[in-house]
Amino acid sequence: QSALTQPPSASGSPGQSVTISCTGTSTDVGGYNYVSWYQHHPGKAPKFLIYEVNKRPPGVPDRFSGSKSGNTASLTVSGLQAEDEADYYCCSYAGRNNLVFGGGTKLTVL
Amino acid sequence: EVQLVQSGAEMKKPGESLKISCKGSTYSFTNYWLGWVRQLPGKGLEWMGMIYPGDSDTRYSPSFEGQVTISADKSISTAYLQWSSLKASDTAMYYCARASRLTALGRDALDIWGQGTMVTVSS
Repeated sequence: QSALTQPPSASGSPGQSVTISCTGTSTDVGGYNYVSWYQHHPGKAPKFLIYEVNKRPPGVPDRFSGSKSGNTASLTVSGLQAEDEADYYCCSYAGRNNLVFGGGTKLTVL
Repeated sequence: EVQLVQSGAEMKKPGESLKISCKGSTYSFTNYWLGWVRQLPGKGLEWMGMIYPGDSDTRYSPSFEGQVTISADKSISTAYLQWSSLKASDTAMYYCARASRLTALGRDALDIWGQGTMVTVSS
């Protein structure tokens, strides 16, 4: 299956909100409410941010929120902080126990 | 603390075999799906496949079926990713990650990640 489509980059100033999109098809994002999001600081292990489209695991700040409409999922980071600068990846269940990741979005805090 | 600890960096030649490991601790290793994710240099994350250590049920991404073998030894809470004949294009960072049981499906989101194993294949 093809990777989900994310913008290569996004940016915002401290305190602002940024939304990152993740577009798939009816066989992945559009077909299931099993979209997750990860934050990845280079050289570190990815961090689990969102599951089942809009749920936050314990310990994840409510500045991170997820949504979905049709074949496109979105991650919104509110109240941007310097430490939010990282790569962000979406991931969707694609049936038959397969997952598919997005290409990643580099978030820059200006 | 729940964690996954991966084996160290590897440097190999094309055609050689390799098996890297991922050891789970402080959780019931047999009751969670465990997946492998590849990150090529400068690129994004790619799903490779996963295993359920409780019964060794293994599923592969179509892109990696036949290219790698995923296995697990539940007696020592360790999962493995192996290659029989490495290629230069296998040069990448490889992560293992536990599937979260917060989700209804139990195998669609990855909550605990290992630190990564860098594999370099060069003649």
